Amino acid sequence: KAGVTQTPRYLIKTRGQQVTLSCSPISGHRSVSWYQQTPGQGLQFLFEYFSETQRNKGNFPGRFSGRQFSNSRSEMNVSTLELGDSALYLCASSLVGLAGADTQYFGPGTRLTVL
Amino acid sequence: GEDVEQSLFLSVREGDSSVINCTYTDSSSTYLYWYKQEPGAGLQLLTYIFSNMDMKQDQRLTVLLNKKDKHLSLRIADTQTGDSAIYFCAEMSGGYNKLIFGAGTRLAVHP
Repeated sequence: KAGVTQTPRYLIKTRGQQVTLSCSPISGHRSVSWYQQTPGQGLQFLFEYFSETQRNKGNFPGRFSGRQFSNSRSEMNVSTLELGDSALYLCASSLVGLAGADTQYFGPGTRLTVL
Repeated sequence: GEDVEQSLFLSVREGDSSVINCTYTDSSSTYLYWYKQEPGAGLQLLTYIFSNMDMKQDQRLTVLLNKKDKHLSLRIADTQTGDSAIYFCAEMSGGYNKLIFGAGTRLAVHP
């Protein structure tokens, strides 16, 4: 079974631009979560989607948004990029998004650099 | 509030046991997790423990949970160079799939 895939793997943008990252979950998984990883703040939860609905959201500004499609693939968008948005963005999928045995499997991440 | 703390660095000799410690604050956390991250890679789930358990063993990994002190530890027996990585402790808090991570412990294994 293929793992979680994220595209692109690397991205370079300039301040003020916007960016869209894509995540394809493991086949059969309907929950997709996004995390931001930076050296200063560590791993922080962005949001979680299930059946095309955002069920949970972290403490990020409205510039960060996401969506999920009917095939469970998800995208996240960051508008008006700032230098501080440079990070590794990780996507994780699970069957239905409940704790415990329904574990989250992470993709390799998209490394975003904002110049 | 939600907070998970870990020591940042651990160095061990190959073949020794490694013990990585973690403390958490959310007493309502029902599941606690250990993830491993190798350079340039995403997170790999190693193991998890339910809050009504105090120990879980999985091959070379042993997880100990002291719920009273909100302390979690991961013991790796017979540590190998391939175990060199960053290890993250995480708690499930605040609803669907919201994991709160510690800062990560960098494990260095030397001959």
